Amino acid sequence: NAGVMQNPRHLVRRRGQEARLRCSPMKGHSHVYWYRQLPEEGLKFMVYLQKENIIDESGMPKERFSAEFPKEGPSILRIQQVVRGDSAAYFCASSPGPPGGLSSYNEQFFGPGTRLTVL
Amino acid sequence: GIQVEQSPPDLILQEGANSTLRCNFSDSVNNLQWFHQNPWGQLINLFYIPSGTKQNGRLSATTVATERYSLLYISSSQTTDSGVYFCAAETGANNLFFGTGTRLTVIP
Repeated sequence: NAGVMQNPRHLVRRRGQEARLRCSPMKGHSHVYWYRQLPEEGLKFMVYLQKENIIDESGMPKERFSAEFPKEGPSILRIQQVVRGDSAAYFCASSPGPPGGLSSYNEQFFGPGTRLTVL
Repeated sequence: GIQVEQSPPDLILQEGANSTLRCNFSDSVNNLQWFHQNPWGQLINLFYIPSGTKQNGRLSATTVATERYSLLYISSSQTTDSGVYFCAAETGANNLFFGTGTRLTVIP
């Protein structure tokens, strides 16, 4: 049973370029979350999605950042016109979500992260 | 959002020693998880423990939800236990709030 997959693992962009980060949730999971980790800090929530729906984007900057989780394919976090301050590790997590009867339906499992470096 | 505080911020142990890491949170929780971030940056799930006690090998965790804290116990520490341990809590809004972590270094 494959875990959460993210690609690329490392991404280097110049200021002004676009960054696209991909996340495939664990099999059977319908809830996806994106988090950002700055160096020497904990993870900060960005956005929570279900298939074709953004449920909560309260942690995502209003400009340049967008996320989607289409009916088919991985979830995408897009950062337009990247700046040096966007350099960070971006983690995706997934959870089963209700229904299902699992008591741990909201347990989140994390991917290996994408380390974005903006030059 | 909920406040999550971890202590101690840094911990250095001799191999074989035991340790207790603490996580305090400011509100009732639907979800409380412990993670180990290894030196390669990967987040490993340790426990899903919104309440009660669980054990997995040399690790165990206890959450006392009514008093808003959780403890992670590491026994007979090994050098591979080194890394950062994060506690994260969720109050029903589905997003996890992370503490700032405890950086553990186990020396041979």
